[in-house]
Amino acid sequence: QVQLQESGPGLVKPSQTLSLTCTVSGGSIRSGDYYWSWIRQGSGKGLEWIGYIHHSGSTYYNPSLQSRLIISADASKNEISLKLSSVTAADTAVYYCARYPLGELSPPFDYWGQGTLVTVSS
Amino acid sequence: AIQMTQSPSSLSASVGDRVTITCRASQGIGDDLGWYQQKPEKAPKLLIYAASSLQSGVPSRFSGSGSGTDFTLTISSLQPEDFATYYCLQDYSYPITFGQGTRLEI
Repeated sequence: QVQLQESGPGLVKPSQTLSLTCTVSGGSIRSGDYYWSWIRQGSGKGLEWIGYIHHSGSTYYNPSLQSRLIISADASKNEISLKLSSVTAADTAVYYCARYPLGELSPPFDYWGQGTLVTVSS
Repeated sequence: AIQMTQSPSSLSASVGDRVTITCRASQGIGDDLGWYQQKPEKAPKLLIYAASSLQSGVPSRFSGSGSGTDFTLTISSLQPEDFATYYCLQDYSYPITFGQGTRLEI
């Protein structure tokens, strides 16, 4: 059973960089054909896809965040990471990592972490 | 970006009711449509993918239909644990986008 666990600071100051890690257990990020994703949800708001990464290093980012975003993967640690720079209060959200299987008719975002709340405030 | 519009935004229903939620895409997405259920303080849970395929472990009272731009999620007989917020998602093209959500309440 795959499990994902997000971790990182719960409070980030405006203009600084938000950094989160997602640790995957129960399977290697190198096995199978998956994209490992970040998704966020502002308080009382809907879901926003941030971007994802394949263990090969291939990435896809949401254009609305692309200029401030880096997603990386460390296969030796079985982790994916998110860095979002120049944050504002609008980046306050629960951040989730999720698995996205590749392939026609594959179920999208079939496993999720529990999420971690990041607040941007001075 | 493809915009996903759900209706209604909220819905009151009772245990045993048949409920339908709709999702409309701003352009054709084939059958690249998923439905998720989210309960408070929990991560979303995948219910339906490829518009009509039931995710493993999801009760058969959930079903999905549609293709192109118009999609529906139907719950055939509401159970107490079904009261939650439901989201649709398109992964036909980047960026992947979600609907704004439908809150299903008693």
